[in-house]
Amino acid sequence: GEDVEQSLFLSVREGDSSVINCTYTDSSSTYLYWYKQEPGAGLQLLTYIFSNMDMKQDQRLTVLLNKKDKHLSLRIADTQTGDSAIYFCVEGGQAGTALIFGKGTTLSVSS
Amino acid sequence: GAVVSQHPSWVICKSGTSVKIECRSLDFQATTMFWYRQFPKQSLMLMATSNEGSKATYEQGVEKDKFLINHASLTLSTLTVTSAHPEDSSFYICSVPREGGYTFGSGTRLTVV
Repeated sequence: GEDVEQSLFLSVREGDSSVINCTYTDSSSTYLYWYKQEPGAGLQLLTYIFSNMDMKQDQRLTVLLNKKDKHLSLRIADTQTGDSAIYFCVEGGQAGTALIFGKGTTLSVSS
Repeated sequence: GAVVSQHPSWVICKSGTSVKIECRSLDFQATTMFWYRQFPKQSLMLMATSNEGSKATYEQGVEKDKFLINHASLTLSTLTVTSAHPEDSSFYICSVPREGGYTFGSGTRLTVV
């Protein structure tokens, strides 16, 4: 079945860049998303990339997609303590179908 | 963008009682809503797809008689955890698919004691 894998923890210092990596298995995914979850809170959509793109930049966020290797990454430039959260790599198929979540990467930012 | 209100945000109940969680799409008519469950340090797992005016579709391993889903209108889906047990303690979150993406409720932390 479909599966999304990502590393569980990442620790960086404030001001550094963070890179969170993800691999997925479903080659028919239409969209790939990055969601952020702060402690005790719901999910916040950070950014997404359409499967026919290879890069998307949105302010401090850069998403890279290697469709051949089914590899997705999220780069956060100038990481701040407020970026500390769990980041989920999520794949989606056809519009309106359920999403498939990775286990989430806990990003810890130290000052 | 679309706004999804989920209520309650947290609930503590006694074992054997039932708990109802509401998910409202405030400005978007949702024929479909998704219910996810997240155990501590785990990912979100899809429990069921709620369909307006028809029966919900449950994922394998999710008991439909235990997790009752009602989607009686285009703006409201409810998840009722019946005869709750401590192992049902989890974070439940609903999601509304819409043009351009998905909007999530803020989640419900259920603790069964």
